[in-house]
Amino acid sequence: DTGVSQDPRHKITKRGQNVTFRCDPISEHNRLYWYRQTLGQGPEFLTYFQNEAQLEKSRLLSDRFSAERPKGSFSTLEIQRTEQGDSAMYLCASSKTGGNQPQHFGDGTRLSIL
Amino acid sequence: DQQVKQNSPSLSVQEGRISILNCDYTNSMFDYFLWYKKYPAEGPTFLISISSIKDKNEDGRFTVFLNKSAKHLSLHIVPSQPGDSAVYFCAVPGSARQLTFGSGTQLTVLP
Repeated sequence: DTGVSQDPRHKITKRGQNVTFRCDPISEHNRLYWYRQTLGQGPEFLTYFQNEAQLEKSRLLSDRFSAERPKGSFSTLEIQRTEQGDSAMYLCASSKTGGNQPQHFGDGTRLSIL
Repeated sequence: DQQVKQNSPSLSVQEGRISILNCDYTNSMFDYFLWYKKYPAEGPTFLISISSIKDKNEDGRFTVFLNKSAKHLSLHIVPSQPGDSAVYFCAVPGSARQLTFGSGTQLTVLP
């Protein structure tokens, strides 16, 4: 049983560069979520996909952030013109549709902005 | 405006004793509550949940209690084991089932 996979695990980049993260959800899961976690805080919701449709975005998702889920399978999260404040752990989660299905999280991508 | 609050950043207990982790929420309309556990360098792992129609849910050593009048839930772990040492988050789902998490409690179980 493969879980949620995220790539890369770590990313170090200079301020102003663009970065892209990938998430492969559990295969039969229709729902996919992106969260961001900073030190000492719980994960904060960024955006949500139901299959390939992006149905919800948080106010945290500025116009420098974009997420896609082509064909309703894997998802990518891109950050353009990175800033110091973007340094965080970016978590992906997936779940089945219907009721209160628990979300299964990947191990995250840690982004460090120099 | 924090919808979910965990006021204790850390908790230490002796192995074999009970661990009690607390969580307060603000919105009486919340109908479902979850607890996640997180080890360093790993993503959160679902632990246990409770519906608002219940006041208790038990799964092995883990029990979650819900006090709706006080808008309070707690997670009891008994007996506590060193492997339970982790950060514990309570969470509530929103309209799109996106989770709002508390800030977490670091549990340390001392051998």
